[in-house]
Amino acid sequence: EPEVTQTPSHQVTQMGQEVILRCVPISNHLYFYWYRQILGQKVEFLVSFYNNEISEKSEIFDDQFSVERPDGSNFTLKIRSTKLEDSAMYFCASKGEVDNQPQHFGDGTRLSIL
Amino acid sequence: AQSVTQPDIHITVSEGASLELRCNYSYGATPYLFWYVQSPGQGLQLLLKYFSGDTLVQGIKGFEAEFKRSQSSFNLRKPSVHWSDAAEYFCAVAAGGNDMRFGAGTRLTVKP
Repeated sequence: EPEVTQTPSHQVTQMGQEVILRCVPISNHLYFYWYRQILGQKVEFLVSFYNNEISEKSEIFDDQFSVERPDGSNFTLKIRSTKLEDSAMYFCASKGEVDNQPQHFGDGTRLSIL
Repeated sequence: AQSVTQPDIHITVSEGASLELRCNYSYGATPYLFWYVQSPGQGLQLLLKYFSGDTLVQGIKGFEAEFKRSQSSFNLRKPSVHWSDAAEYFCAVAAGGNDMRFGAGTRLTVKP
């Protein structure tokens, strides 16, 4: 069964540095998402992306964050200048075009800011 | 805006006992509803989903959930819990199957 893959599985970065989290969605999917889960807390929606543009974003997704689909297969989340509170698990998800399909999640990238 | 409430933060059941995890949602129309399970350090695995039709949906690992419009609920059930079911369970709601909102999660502990 096709999977959403995320790399790296764990990223350790110094505060203030830029970080890029990478995702390869399922190949025929058209909707892409990023979610965040701070340790011990619930999964929070960050942003959705469709047709090469952001379709919705949460209040968490401020100017420090950006997303990009640089080619036909990757979907990236960039945090421009990381803060300690950005430490979390970041999940990528993708969904097909038909409405009644679930989002498929990757295994996540654990981001640790030092 | 849609929202999801999972009233129980932590539930402990004995192995072999039945299980019900509660989920209430708030949304203007009938949303798409999901249950995901997360084992420690792992990603989110879809257990089951409801879009329309039969209000009792069957999922993987012996789980089922019932959509009750009058109560705005989508509770997850399993008749006999196994030790391997210990995990965090998240209820989620999506509008038009798109942007998804998660509940705070219920941690399930299974006693031998």
